[in-house]
Amino acid sequence: AQSVTQPDIHITVSEGASLELRCNYSYGATPYLFWYVQSPGQGLQLLLKYFSGDTLVQGIKGFEAEFKRSQSSFNLRKPSVHWSDAAEYFCAVGASDYKLSFGAGTTVTVRA
Amino acid sequence: DAGVIQSPRHEVTEMGQEVTLRCKPISGHNSLFWYRQTMMRGLELLIYFNNNVPIDDSGMPEDRFSAKMPNASFSTLKIQPSEPRDSAVYFCASRRTGNQPQHFGDGTRLSIL
Repeated sequence: AQSVTQPDIHITVSEGASLELRCNYSYGATPYLFWYVQSPGQGLQLLLKYFSGDTLVQGIKGFEAEFKRSQSSFNLRKPSVHWSDAAEYFCAVGASDYKLSFGAGTTVTVRA
Repeated sequence: DAGVIQSPRHEVTEMGQEVTLRCKPISGHNSLFWYRQTMMRGLELLIYFNNNVPIDDSGMPEDRFSAKMPNASFSTLKIQPSEPRDSAVYFCASRRTGNQPQHFGDGTRLSIL
């Protein structure tokens, strides 16, 4: 069975600083990988996805993620965070056509 | 395009009452998912429909929970009777098949007193 680990429960970053959120997965083959963001009181919004091909994936809102098979990782990055990036971020892995396993989430706080 | 629409946004009711949550998927999407989100367990898939047919309901916690999808544009998740431990945020998501990403609604925050 697939599983996802997000080691950081909470990250605080200064506005304008870079951000990296870690995601490690467990799965025997190449999984489908996703990053979602959730703002308070709202549903999850897809930031980016990886199915195959180029291991560096560009997403919305200036985010990117890199799939590293050797490390079973799919870390999310943003070069310069904005106050509006404060939210909860979820990494998800899909081993089948439909079944996603979500990580526990990382809450990002942005300080002025 | 309108996104996934869920109603109600908030529901507060007493234990033992029947609760019905509703979802309208994005037009043209033929897969629909119901999730439950709690602090303790995170996001859990409850049930998955494809072309209105339940494919995987292994995540439905018990017989008190039931879900239907009578047509391509509507689904319900029903809890009867409700219990305080059912309090959570329930999300509906939809997508096109073919490894397309899931699009989530804004959720229903359910509180059972």
